[in-house]
Amino acid sequence: KAGVTQTPRYLIKTRGQQVTLSCSPISGHRSVSWYQQTPGQGLQFLFEYFSETQRNKGNFPGRFSGRQFSNSRSEMNVSTLELGDSALYLCASSPGSGDTDTQYFGPGTRLTVL
Amino acid sequence: SQQGEEDPQALSIQEGENATMNCSYKTSINNLQWYRQNSGRGLVHLILIRSNEREKHSGRLRVTLDTSKKSSSLLITASRAADTASYFCATVSSSGNTPLVFGKGTRLSVIA
Repeated sequence: KAGVTQTPRYLIKTRGQQVTLSCSPISGHRSVSWYQQTPGQGLQFLFEYFSETQRNKGNFPGRFSGRQFSNSRSEMNVSTLELGDSALYLCASSPGSGDTDTQYFGPGTRLTVL
Repeated sequence: SQQGEEDPQALSIQEGENATMNCSYKTSINNLQWYRQNSGRGLVHLILIRSNEREKHSGRLRVTLDTSKKSSSLLITASRAADTASYFCATVSSSGNTPLVFGKGTRLSVIA
């Protein structure tokens, strides 16, 4: 099976702009989770989607949003970018069937906000 | 907020030596997982240990879990240069249907 793919891999934006990141999960996986990774805060959970519904949400402002499509592909959007949004954004997929699911991570999108 | 806290933050060893990383967490868990991340890349799942398990092995990896102390350790035996990476523990709460909560990781450097 193909792994989790994320596009684009690298992105440079300026403050105030918005950005959309895409994640294609492993075939058959219904859960997609998004994480933000920064040197200072580490890996922080953004949200999880399962069968097109947001199942869990982390402690991020409303500028961060996401969605999941019927084919389980997911997008996350960040509006009104701030310098502090510069980070590696990781998406992970899993079957979504239980708490012992292994998360399979994509390579990430490196976002730089200038 | 982070639940897991890895210790040490960084570890440097010679090839062939064993590497031990520790993780502490705060709340009751369903399971604890260890992941590896090579520089700037995605995470790779290494091993999962359930709350009712005390020890688990996978190849050169040995994980222990002490729920009374809310701590876990990851031992990598006979380390190789290719083991150089960051290692994260992540917990799943016992309250169910909750996301993974990651620690800040241990940066392991294995010197050939």
